Amino acid sequence: ETGVTQTPRHLVMGMTNKKSLKCEQHLGHNAMYWYKQSAKKPLELMFVYSLEERVENNSVPSRFSPECPNSSHLFLHLHTLQPEDSALYLCASSQATGTGELFFGEGSRLTVL
Amino acid sequence: GQSLEQPSEVTAVEGAIVQINCTYQTSGFYGLSWYQQHDGGAPTFLSYNGLDGLEETGRFSSFLSRSDSYGYLLLQELQMKDSASYFCAVWGFKAAGNKLTFGGGTRVLVKP
Repeated sequence: ETGVTQTPRHLVMGMTNKKSLKCEQHLGHNAMYWYKQSAKKPLELMFVYSLEERVENNSVPSRFSPECPNSSHLFLHLHTLQPEDSALYLCASSQATGTGELFFGEGSRLTVL
Repeated sequence: GQSLEQPSEVTAVEGAIVQINCTYQTSGFYGLSWYQQHDGGAPTFLSYNGLDGLEETGRFSSFLSRSDSYGYLLLQELQMKDSASYFCAVWGFKAAGNKLTFGGGTRVLVKP
């Protein structure tokens, strides 16, 4: 138990569906992150939020839309995804950006048919 | 931009020592971190080096040389439970904010 909870753990969706991934952290951290982990590839940073403000958008296609309503919650809204978007999506939090430790959730395994 | 290089796979026997090297290129640098990830699990933090030198935490040690843009993770007295992927990661900074970039990971397989 890392203090970062992601739901759902597994998701299968068609290319025309709309779904959302949810992340909640119970650590009192100020920064939250979305990473994508595909087979044979490094963890890819998608988005960074610091104090509920998006400070990094790593050239992510617009079919991925993040939302950070407060410092404890982070969403990733998904629509019209492609099969190559199938991956493990990891949420993480940290006290601040630039130093220290990231605490990761267990991830949401997404399959796009 | 930022990029990191580390070996893709290492195999060793129980009780052995394994060194995982990591070289990096970054436009701004705060420090080098190491994470462990077991199959099906979340990455978990192992160590952080902000200054040159060796940091020791139990059986694991991490080293950084900022002048060489190089670091390593040393796993000693290997145990079966150490079979996992190990990622180096660099905190870099730029005007828009700081971000942690990961290497491709080194899969360590420990055999009896």
